[in-house]
Amino acid sequence: DAGVTQSPTHLIKTRGQHVTLRCSPISGHKSVSWYQQVLGQGPQFIFQYYEKEERGRGNFPDRFSARQFPNYSSELNVNALLLGDSALYLCASSLGPAQNTGELFFGEGSRLTVL
Amino acid sequence: AQSVAQPEDQVNVAEGNPLTVKCTYSVSGNPYLFWYVQYPNRGLQFLLKYITGDNLVKGSYGFEAEFNKSQTSFHLKKPSALVSDSALYFCAVRDRDDKIIFGKGTRLHILP
Repeated sequence: DAGVTQSPTHLIKTRGQHVTLRCSPISGHKSVSWYQQVLGQGPQFIFQYYEKEERGRGNFPDRFSARQFPNYSSELNVNALLLGDSALYLCASSLGPAQNTGELFFGEGSRLTVL
Repeated sequence: AQSVAQPEDQVNVAEGNPLTVKCTYSVSGNPYLFWYVQYPNRGLQFLLKYITGDNLVKGSYGFEAEFNKSQTSFHLKKPSALVSDSALYFCAVRDRDDKIIFGKGTRLHILP
């Protein structure tokens, strides 16, 4: 079975641009979470979606938004990019809250560089 | 708020020796605790979890972790380290809102 897939794997943007990152969860998983990992730090929670609804949001500005589609794939959008948005963006899938004992399954990440 | 702390930025261990990577937690209620590993330029991989039951939890790649309620710790251990264990290790906790909160990570270096 395919694991969590993310695209693109690498991208370079300039300040002020916007970016869309995509994630496909493991088949059968209905929950998707997004994390930002800045170099040398642990992943920081951005969003969690379950059944197409936002279930949690971390301490990130409104420039960050996300959505989940009927097939449970997800997009993370970041507008008005800043240099500080440069990071590895990780998507993780899980079964969902009702059946979730907690483990997340991560994709390889999308590395965003903002110049 | 639920949180975890990893007091060591880096741990160096000689190959074949036992290793310990430390984690302490702060939670209200019963904790759901996890360890993940990250290899260079990769996503995180789940190693093991503690939900309830035995305080010694066994996971992937020969790793285990000991849950200690009185010390609020969940240290990761392995009896005999391999060079291939060199990676970044994250302790994590599940909070009330069902999201997973990660520590800052500990870089493990296994010396040949």
